[in-house]
Amino acid sequence: EVQLVQSGGGLVQRGGSLRLSCAASSGFSFTTYWMSWVRQAPGKGLEWVANLNEDGSATYYVDSVTGRFTISRDNAKKTLYLQMDSLRVDDTAMYYCARDEAGFEHWGQGALVTVYS
Amino acid sequence: DIVMTQSPATLSVSPGERATLSCRASQSVRSDVAWYQQKPGQAPRLIIHSASTRATGIPARFSGSGSGTEFTLSISSLQSEDFAVYYCQQYNNWKTFGPGTKVDLK
Repeated sequence: EVQLVQSGGGLVQRGGSLRLSCAASSGFSFTTYWMSWVRQAPGKGLEWVANLNEDGSATYYVDSVTGRFTISRDNAKKTLYLQMDSLRVDDTAMYYCARDEAGFEHWGQGALVTVYS
Repeated sequence: DIVMTQSPATLSVSPGERATLSCRASQSVRSDVAWYQQKPGQAPRLIIHSASTRATGIPARFSGSGSGTEFTLSISSLQSEDFAVYYCQQYNNWKTFGPGTKVDLK
């Protein structure tokens, strides 16, 4: 069974940093898939944030987080990361990791990030 | 950036009725469109990918169609568990989501 288990959300002051993690179960071959982060602000729609390729050598970001967020992966640990720096109040959202293919079929349970001023 | 729009914003349907949701892309995305269902407090669930292919375990009452810029998600006979918000997404050029259509009880 494919499972993505997230950790690392929380409350942080504007300008602060936070790192999210997403651990993949043994149910799929983590190293053969692109992975993405998707977020959802409270009461709002979905927004793709970033993704990276199988070995982490290629990364892509939505404009609003470029230069502040860093996506990475550790294939030995089957874990995806999102390092979030210079956080803004409008980064407040539920953050989901997802296996990136034709659509996102497998999602983590979500991690809430709240940025206060 | 490719902008996805959805209509209507809210669709009120009675159980057993057919629901038709629309999604439009600001430029051609070929058939690189997915549809998701999301219920409160849950992660989204993939319903359709490649515009018309049902995801694993999705009932046959869900169907998708379209290509280029116009896409449709149909639910042939709405069940109580289908009341939710539905999002379309393109993955042809980066990835962008539509604003969603809420399907609620008439």
